[in-house]
Amino acid sequence: EAGVTQFPSHSVIEKGQTVTLRCDPISGHDNLYWYRRVMGKEIKFLLHFVKESKQDESGMPNNRFLAERTGGTYSTLKVQPAELEDSGVYFCASSQVGSPKGLYEQYFGPGTRLTVT
Amino acid sequence: GDSVTQMEGPVTLSEEAFLTINCTYTATGYPSLFWYVQYPGEGLQLLLKATKADDKGSNKGFEATYRKETTSFHLEKGSVQVSDSAVYFCALSKFTASKLTFGTGTRLQVTL
Repeated sequence: EAGVTQFPSHSVIEKGQTVTLRCDPISGHDNLYWYRRVMGKEIKFLLHFVKESKQDESGMPNNRFLAERTGGTYSTLKVQPAELEDSGVYFCASSQVGSPKGLYEQYFGPGTRLTVT
Repeated sequence: GDSVTQMEGPVTLSEEAFLTINCTYTATGYPSLFWYVQYPGEGLQLLLKATKADDKGSNKGFEATYRKETTSFHLEKGSVQVSDSAVYFCALSKFTASKLTFGTGTRLQVTL
């Protein structure tokens, strides 16, 4: 079974430009999460999709960030325009509704390292 | 709000040494607690978890016990290996399928 994949693995852009990150969750996982780790600090939650609906977007820092999950499969996170403080590693995770484990384990992708110069 | 505090790294140990990485949390109610590990070049992997007080999570020789009285979930391993070198993250979740709240991560470096 393929794991969570993210693209690109690394992106370097200039301040003011636009970047779109993509996440492909594990097939069949309805829950999809975005997280961010900035400058070696804690990993912070950004938002949570259940299928194509935004369940919780309380962690989105501002309106320069736009997340979509059309069709309930892959998701994109767009940053427009990018600022220096947006640099960091963006992680995507997915989990399955109705897991027999009783607790929905989140499976993480390798992350996208975003550098804004 | 909810938060997780873990010890600053890096932690450098010789192979076969005993490992403790401290983790404490602040949260209302009864969160579930997790340790995730990130090996170089890879994504985070769930290492172990505990869902209620006094539960002990264990995996790959690592253990952590959910201590509600001290709001702690310290990670321990009796004998570390070079292959354990990674970044370890303590985390909590308040509800099933809800977001994870992470600590800052602790880098472990094990040398021969």
